[in-house]
Amino acid sequence: RKEVEQDPGPFNVPEGATVAFNCTYSNSASQSFFWYRQDCRKEPKLLMSVYSSGNEDGRFTAQLNRASQYISLLIRDSKLSDSATYLCVAYTGRRALTFGSGTRLQVQP
Amino acid sequence: EAGVTQFPSHSVIEKGQTVTLRCDPISGHDNLYWYRRVMGKEIKFLLHFVKESKQDESGMPNNRFLAERTGGTYSTLKVQPAELEDSGVYFCASSQGQAQEGGAGELFFGEGSRLTVL
Repeated sequence: RKEVEQDPGPFNVPEGATVAFNCTYSNSASQSFFWYRQDCRKEPKLLMSVYSSGNEDGRFTAQLNRASQYISLLIRDSKLSDSATYLCVAYTGRRALTFGSGTRLQVQP
Repeated sequence: EAGVTQFPSHSVIEKGQTVTLRCDPISGHDNLYWYRRVMGKEIKFLLHFVKESKQDESGMPNNRFLAERTGGTYSTLKVQPAELEDSGVYFCASSQGQAQEGGAGELFFGEGSRLTVL
């Protein structure tokens, strides 16, 4: 079983839609969580950290449920520029970061 | 400020040959990481340097892979001899602090070195 699991998608949504990605992790010792964004043939870039209380950054909201070992990312009012692969990432204190396979989002005009 | 730079951006070699990938981290970043993404799989950790010391190399697949970071600046990752299954994108990342909660120690990635072994 993968340590971090994501639905690979693709999620095809119209501009302006709200879309949610889910991610589960298997290692209960995971301490911190992040969402990274990766554009096609580019490097991953940190989108946002995920805090236990949930956090919001503009149109993006991240939630963490430690009891269910579940992380989510909500994107409101989708823009064409949001099209990318979203990587769910866990940090367990060793082995640096553990990445999910990514969820591909395609926002259509 | 220059980001993490990697060279070459793409390398095509034959099975059995040797390839050396280079990573220049962001200046002042003590932590340097190598990751790899093979086709259709997730990005996987290979190893972590703190300055010139290997902090964790538990992700290195086998002894055909050798990473160095002499002087604690740039790093090289050598694959010798290369096998077909080594094909993929090799990412280097650097950070000031270690990856941890709150965004401190955020990893900055290079664009990757794509390796194709024929």
